[in-house]
Amino acid sequence: SQQGEEDPQALSIQEGENATMNCSYKTSINNLQWYRQNSGRGLVHLILIRSNEREKHSGRLRVTLDTSKKSSSLLITASRAADTASYFCATDRRGSTLGRLYFGRGTQLTVWP
Amino acid sequence: DGGITQSPKYLFRKEGQNVTLSCEQNLNHDAMYWYRQDPGQGLRLIYYSQIVNDFQKGDIAEGYSVSREKKESFPLTVTSAQKNPTAFYLCASSTHPGETQYFGPGTRLLVL
Repeated sequence: SQQGEEDPQALSIQEGENATMNCSYKTSINNLQWYRQNSGRGLVHLILIRSNEREKHSGRLRVTLDTSKKSSSLLITASRAADTASYFCATDRRGSTLGRLYFGRGTQLTVWP
Repeated sequence: DGGITQSPKYLFRKEGQNVTLSCEQNLNHDAMYWYRQDPGQGLRLIYYSQIVNDFQKGDIAEGYSVSREKKESFPLTVTSAQKNPTAFYLCASSTHPGETQYFGPGTRLLVL
């Protein structure tokens, strides 16, 4: 049972361009997290944004959260070939006592030199 | 070095065999998780544990078993009842449920 759905499924851009990925979810959340996965590796946490926050920055990453639309976006500015990876959003559902995250299917980002 | 480790990196299973995947963390995290990832897919939760000596089934627990006898360790056994075990298995841990998860490097399980 997946909560988040990333859009687009795949994104291909040139180095130096910005990359925007979106995540939509269905139920109210405590927080939303973005992770990155290089091919054949484990996931790496990028940013956690809580339900009372609207925007967070980390280096070249900018995450926004719109709880009224149940959606989030991840912007990578001035992309590099090394940013090529899959990006996943994950949500912590509000009111859940299960203590787990719900991951989306991911966006595959390819950055061409 | 603090972190989460998984072994082996590759594992081969014969028909009818049970195999165990290791996951160890020295981050002093209470919660641990096992996920399965198939090619081009997202993560599906197999089992998770919020505290020592307690664990819960995830979305695809059939054919798998776990134990949590120590805080640092959360091994996953893929039993012969799991008919399609070929996948990439990821272990993760977090300080508390719902918070940031830290992932191991993964184990790729292949069937001979």
